[in-house]
Amino acid sequence: EVQLVESGGGLVQPGRSLRLSCAASGFTFDDYAMHWVRQAPGKGLEWVSGISWNSGSIGYADSVKGRFTISRDNAKNSLYLQMNSLRAEDTALYYCAKEGGPDYGDYVFDYWGQGTLVTVSS
Amino acid sequence: EIVLTQSPATLSLSPGERATLSCRASQSVSSYLAWYQQKPGQAPRLLIYDASNRATGIPARFSGSGSGTDFTLTISSLEPEDFAVYYCQQRSNWPQFTFGPGTKVDIK
Repeated sequence: EVQLVESGGGLVQPGRSLRLSCAASGFTFDDYAMHWVRQAPGKGLEWVSGISWNSGSIGYADSVKGRFTISRDNAKNSLYLQMNSLRAEDTALYYCAKEGGPDYGDYVFDYWGQGTLVTVSS
Repeated sequence: EIVLTQSPATLSLSPGERATLSCRASQSVSSYLAWYQQKPGQAPRLLIYDASNRATGIPARFSGSGSGTDFTLTISSLEPEDFAVYYCQQRSNWPQFTFGPGTKVDIK
């Protein structure tokens, strides 16, 4: 059974940093690209960042480019999101999502974690 | 950036009725469009990929159609568990993947 478990969220002041983690299990982690998608309270979904299986291809939404860094450790079956210079508008539930790969095509998200809440406030 | 527009924002229907949800893209995304369902307090679930293909385990009452800029998700006969928010998502251009604002299907 595929499981994605996010951690690292919390309350942080504007301008500070936070690092999110996603522990993956139930599939061959290094076969798949992974992504972060966020959802502000009561709002819709926003893709944040994605990373290919070997970290060779990385992308960011314009809203986080230059402030957030995605990475992965295939030996630890883990995905990370380093968030710097946080702003109030970064407040959201952050989901880790597995890409569907050859079954569904690139950039389709077939499994999601339950999310970790990041609140940016003074 | 490709902008996705969903309509209506809210659809009020009764169990057993047919639901038709629309997603329109600001430019062509070919068939690279997916639909997700999200229930309160839950993560999104993949329903449809590449406009018309059901994901594994998705009931046949869910169907998708369209290409280019206009897409439709149809639920042929609403079950109680189908009342949720539905999002479309385009994967046409890396690395700018966008979601629509969502359509809420609620009980009339």
